[in-house]
Amino acid sequence: AQTVTQSQPEMSVQEAETVTLSCTYDTSESNYYLFWYKQPPSRQMILVIRQEAYKQQNATENRFSVNFQKAAKSFSLKISDSQLGDTAMYFCAFMKQMVRAGNMLTFGGGTRLMVKP
Amino acid sequence: AAGVIQSPRHLIKEKRETATLKCYPIPRHDTVYWYQQGPGQDPQFLISFYEKMQSDKGSIPDRFSAQQFSDYHSELNMSSLELGDSALYFCASSDSPLLPSTDTQYFGPGTRLTVL
Repeated sequence: AQTVTQSQPEMSVQEAETVTLSCTYDTSESNYYLFWYKQPPSRQMILVIRQEAYKQQNATENRFSVNFQKAAKSFSLKISDSQLGDTAMYFCAFMKQMVRAGNMLTFGGGTRLMVKP
Repeated sequence: AAGVIQSPRHLIKEKRETATLKCYPIPRHDTVYWYQQGPGQDPQFLISFYEKMQSDKGSIPDRFSAQQFSDYHSELNMSSLELGDSALYFCASSDSPLLPSTDTQYFGPGTRLTVL
């Protein structure tokens, strides 16, 4: 079974600054995907970024980027130029790559990020 | 762009009652997932369906059942409700995983179930 650990329950950052959220995972799989989802106060789960384990290049989506270290089983999220709208709970998630459909996501415990004006 | 639709958005039930949650996936998505998120917790996977067949199963109680219909919408049926079933229930959808790069789950807004 896979486990995902987010060691920072809460973090805060000043508006316009950069913050990094940590995530580690444990798996014996060699092919898998990693995700960051954002859950603002509305409780909607919003996909932030996705990384395929077979890709060495770190994924980037506008102000969001990841540092994927496969050997260390680490998958951190960097948010640049933080905005007030980035205030949310952030979940790291793992999914095995399998031949069948409907693969489950395993989530970490989440990091609550507060962006301060 | 069209998103996942869930209904109802809020539901209040008494203990031992039955509830039915509905999920309408993003158009052309053929895979549906159900997750349960308790207060202050991360989402926990319940069950998934691909092309109307059950695909994966997580920690879903025997009191719960689900199915996917011919139009790809899905329903989660919950019987003999308990206080501990109070949670936010998410449905997510994805398109065919024949191309792994497209196997990304997009979540609906959730149904908040309160059991009194």
